[in-house]
Amino acid sequence: AQKVTQAQTEISVVEKEDVTLDCVYETRDTTYYLFWYKQPPSGELVFLIRRNSFDEQNEISGRYSWNFQKSTSSFNFTITASQVVDSAVYFCALSASGGSNYKLTFGKGTLLTVNP
Amino acid sequence: DAMVIQNPRYQVTQFGKPVTLSCSQTLNHNVMYWYQQKSSQAPKLLFHYYDKDFNNEADTPDNFQSRRPNTSFCFLDIRSPGLGDAAMYLCATREGKNQPQHFGDGTRLSIL
Repeated sequence: AQKVTQAQTEISVVEKEDVTLDCVYETRDTTYYLFWYKQPPSGELVFLIRRNSFDEQNEISGRYSWNFQKSTSSFNFTITASQVVDSAVYFCALSASGGSNYKLTFGKGTLLTVNP
Repeated sequence: DAMVIQNPRYQVTQFGKPVTLSCSQTLNHNVMYWYQQKSSQAPKLLFHYYDKDFNNEADTPDNFQSRRPNTSFCFLDIRSPGLGDAAMYLCATREGKNQPQHFGDGTRLSIL
């Protein structure tokens, strides 16, 4: 069985602060994929990043960066110099082979509020 | 340009009155998904199609049905909506097993 835990239900920061969203996952599969999605108030889920289990290289995209550590089963997401437009619910998700047939298992999401 | 299109954006129906939500895609992806998302919760998978093969989740109520007449279109039919079915319904597509799912904007369903 797969599980994704996002322990932070809500985070509130002031604009320009850095913020890290935590994600811890569980799976018995050796081949799996991790994702982050952003859901702004308008409702659509926006794909941000995909990482496969064999690539622990961290990634940076503009103000966004991701830290993947298999040793701690974590895939954390950091926003540098946060902006009001970053306010959204962020979901971490896991997709694996085996019994789940690559279906997405979502965490419960973290509501990020960036205040001006 | 939107690649996964859901219509309508907002849908209001009456208790017990059948309703159909639609999803179309321009990506030519072979997998299409329907999710239900209630307030402050993660999306919950209802079912998915791999090409024409329908895969129902074990806990999806019988009240929910789906049709996929061709690669581009997929429909969610709720035969007798109850108040508990009020939610955001999200459609998604995927090309290959290790590719991300692409989501539509969702249809927010209200039940009167």
